[in-house]
Amino acid sequence: EADIYQTPRYLVIGTGKKITLECSQTMGHDKMYWYQQDPGMELHLIHYSYGVNSTEKGDLSSESTVSRIRTEHFPLTLESARPSHTSQYLCASSELVGQGQETQYFGPGTRLLVL
Amino acid sequence: GNSVTQMEGPVTLSEEAFLTINCTYTATGYPSLFWYVQYPGEGLQLLLKATKADDKGSNKGFEATYRKETTSFHLEKGSVQVSDSAVYFCALSDQGAQKLVFGQGTRLTINP
Repeated sequence: EADIYQTPRYLVIGTGKKITLECSQTMGHDKMYWYQQDPGMELHLIHYSYGVNSTEKGDLSSESTVSRIRTEHFPLTLESARPSHTSQYLCASSELVGQGQETQYFGPGTRLLVL
Repeated sequence: GNSVTQMEGPVTLSEEAFLTINCTYTATGYPSLFWYVQYPGEGLQLLLKATKADDKGSNKGFEATYRKETTSFHLEKGSVQVSDSAVYFCALSDQGAQKLVFGQGTRLTINP
């Protein structure tokens, strides 16, 4: 079982606030991901990283930004939160073990509510 | 592009019933296939996986077989429990883009 952590687990904030969602993993995995999960359950990839100093935008356009300064840490930042950002955010990591052979492991998620 | 289609939910069963959740995929090449489970208020947990045709993944009484000829990876369990109530996601690894492609999820409720 993978060790991947997200904080906070729940966050309620007002519109316009800047927030950072933390994600850390202790397996030394190269690749990390952020997903947004809407109430209808569908998962949308919003950011990913192949390794340190690498960040890429995912399939769903997002106003959030990410950074990857250390292998184990992949924080997501919203400069000015809006009610439309209310969602669950899931972080994941995986090992690069060849094409088609990677397995993603997920953190417990952060449930964000913007008032 | 690659895609995954899951059986629409919600699915409601009685305890000890037989479970099948259908999953079919479209992909180029030879993807790996996965089932993830999400319990209420939690993230996704890897349930099982299969990396090549005819492989069977199994865990906690759940099974799924990678069928290339029918492009399917159906999830089965012989006797479900109330604790199996969760959302189940089928996924494939997109070799070209090195990303996971998820189905839309199937919510399963087991009644005692």
